[in-house]
Amino acid sequence: GALVYQYPRRTICKSGTSMRMECQAVGFQATSVAWYRQSPQKTFELIALSTVNSAIKYEQNFTQEKFPISHPNLSFSSMTVLNAYLEDRGLYLCGAPTGNTEVFFGKGTRLTVV
Amino acid sequence: GDSVTQTEGQVALSEEDFLTIHCNYSASGYPTLFWYVQYPGEGPQLLFRASRDKEKGSSRGFEATYDKGTTSFHLRKASVQESDSAVYYCALSGAGNTGKLIFGLGTTLQVQP
Repeated sequence: GALVYQYPRRTICKSGTSMRMECQAVGFQATSVAWYRQSPQKTFELIALSTVNSAIKYEQNFTQEKFPISHPNLSFSSMTVLNAYLEDRGLYLCGAPTGNTEVFFGKGTRLTVV
Repeated sequence: GDSVTQTEGQVALSEEDFLTIHCNYSASGYPTLFWYVQYPGEGPQLLFRASRDKEKGSSRGFEATYDKGTTSFHLRKASVQESDSAVYYCALSGAGNTGKLIFGLGTTLQVQP
């Protein structure tokens, strides 16, 4: 079956430092990967949509300078949170669609900033 | 723009009760509609999705029917169990199979034994 793995599951970083998180699709080809942040209030914010061999599209309030994304092949994507501050904390999720329009998510990377 | 509305923020039931969580959407055309369940500390898990008018999705005893006339995709389960306690999200995706979803605010279901 289709699975999405995210690593690490949890991370703590000091304010002003950066951390990188990874997303791996297993059992299907992730032509597109969508990165989200789920706030402590549980709402989902779309950060960016990454499609292999296409430009990455960032949503309003999110930039490549802050959240650079790499999507080098059909099974892997990574995103870095640069200069993390308190407002960047939350659960970062990657979601990828399969060929039949199902969208699977990983278990997320929980970022704590201290 | 496209949107999803879940009217119930929290639902409290007893085991074997009937569950309904309402979901209405606003979008052009025929978006794909989804129900996800999220347990504490986990990412959202796909319950099922539907892509056409009158299509019914179902999984684990949960079901919902795509209704373009009322722009609804209400989640139902005939008899809930304590293990169903979680947060449920209705979502939609627009044109293109990209993984870009618009989520509702979620409904927290608490089932008492």
